[in-house]
This record gives sequence, C-alpha cells and structure tokens, in this order.
Amino acid sequence: NAGVMQNPRHLVRRRGQEARLRCSPMKGHSHVYWYRQLPEEGLKFMVYLQKENIIDESGMPKERFSAEFPKEGPSILRIQQVVRGDSAAYFCASSFGQGNTEAFFGQGTRLTVV
Amino acid sequence: QKEVEQNSGPLSVPEGAIASLNCTYSDRGSQSFFWYRQYSGKSPELIMSIYSNGDKEDGRFTAQLNKASQYVSLLIRDSQPSDSATYLCAVKTGGTSYGKLTFGQGTILTVHP
Repeated sequence: NAGVMQNPRHLVRRRGQEARLRCSPMKGHSHVYWYRQLPEEGLKFMVYLQKENIIDESGMPKERFSAEFPKEGPSILRIQQVVRGDSAAYFCASSFGQGNTEAFFGQGTRLTVV
Repeated sequence: QKEVEQNSGPLSVPEGAIASLNCTYSDRGSQSFFWYRQYSGKSPELIMSIYSNGDKEDGRFTAQLNKASQYVSLLIRDSQPSDSATYLCAVKTGGTSYGKLTFGQGTILTVHP
C-alpha cells in the first residue's frame, strides 16, 4: 500500500533553470494538493487539483509557477526560471475525495537553487 | 492576526509528563481540524483529526475542540523522547468543500529523558 510518492527527493537547480516536481497520489486518491514550506516558516497552500482540472490555485505565485494533474501520470509542479527564493521543501498531499479532507503527505522534494 | 496561531515554543517536558499544545483560529466557518507531527527534515504525518466540539482520544493523544472559543488543543500523555518533533495545527479553510488547509507555524516539542 504505497503512500504518496514524490520525486525527486532532492533537487538542485541553478538560477534560471526549470524545476519539475512530481507527485503520485495514494492509490484510489484523485485529489492532489501542493504545499510549500520555506525555511523557518509554516506550510503554505499552493494549489489544489483533480484529474485534468485545477480547482484552486490561489496560493500559487502569479509568475513562473504552474501545476497540472493529467489523466494519466503524476501531478507535476513546474517552476520556470528558478530564483534563490524558490529554495524550499515542496510537499504534495492527496485525499480520497473532495469531501474527505484527511490528507496524507508525501516525503517532499527539497529544492535548492544555487 | 494570523489565521491559525499556535502557542509559541519551544516546549520542553520531561519524559512521562503531559505535553499540551494549543491552537487558535480566526475563521468561524472552519469545521475540520487536524494535528500533524513533523520530524526534522521529514514530511508532516497526520496524527489526529477532530470535527465536533469536545474531546477525541486516540492512544496517548487527545484532541480537544471548542468552536465557540475557536480553540483546538492536543494533549500527549506519558510523553516519550520519540514524541520530540514539531506539531502543526491545521484548519480546513471555511467556505470550501475541499481539503484546503491553513497551517499554524508549528510548536517544537522536546521530551527529555
């Protein structure tokens, strides 16, 4: 019974490169949430997706950040032209249904921008 | 005012004692409340959820909710050194039908032998 799988676990990018973070939800879960945890800060909501739909992206920075959850395959959080301030831990969480709000987190991707 | 605020830490308790973690929230429409535990460098792990006023017990953990006071707490009985972690209070955002969570800043708990 695999949990939420995120990869890579650690990612180093130079300023200006692109970062792609992947999240496979738990089996049977079709709702995915992305959160960001900056150093010394709490978890902040970024985006909520269902298969092929972005439902709520109110926490996403307006530029350079995008997310998708295609019909087949993992959810992807994409950060273009990374800057040092993007260095953080990015966590994905999944839940079974929209009304079932117990969300289970993946191990996270720790992005370091050098 | 922060949307979800936790008692400032760090909190240090001796092994075997009761650790009390507190959280207040500002959105009166919130209906679902969660406690997550996060070890250093690891992901948040759900340990308790509570939806109704009163107490909910699970092993050594008791969550307490008072919606009138907009207050939720977590008690850890017989604290163990392995309980040393950051505890995150999370509140499901009111007005949404899905599980968008707002987190507090976390309370660092240290249980010393």
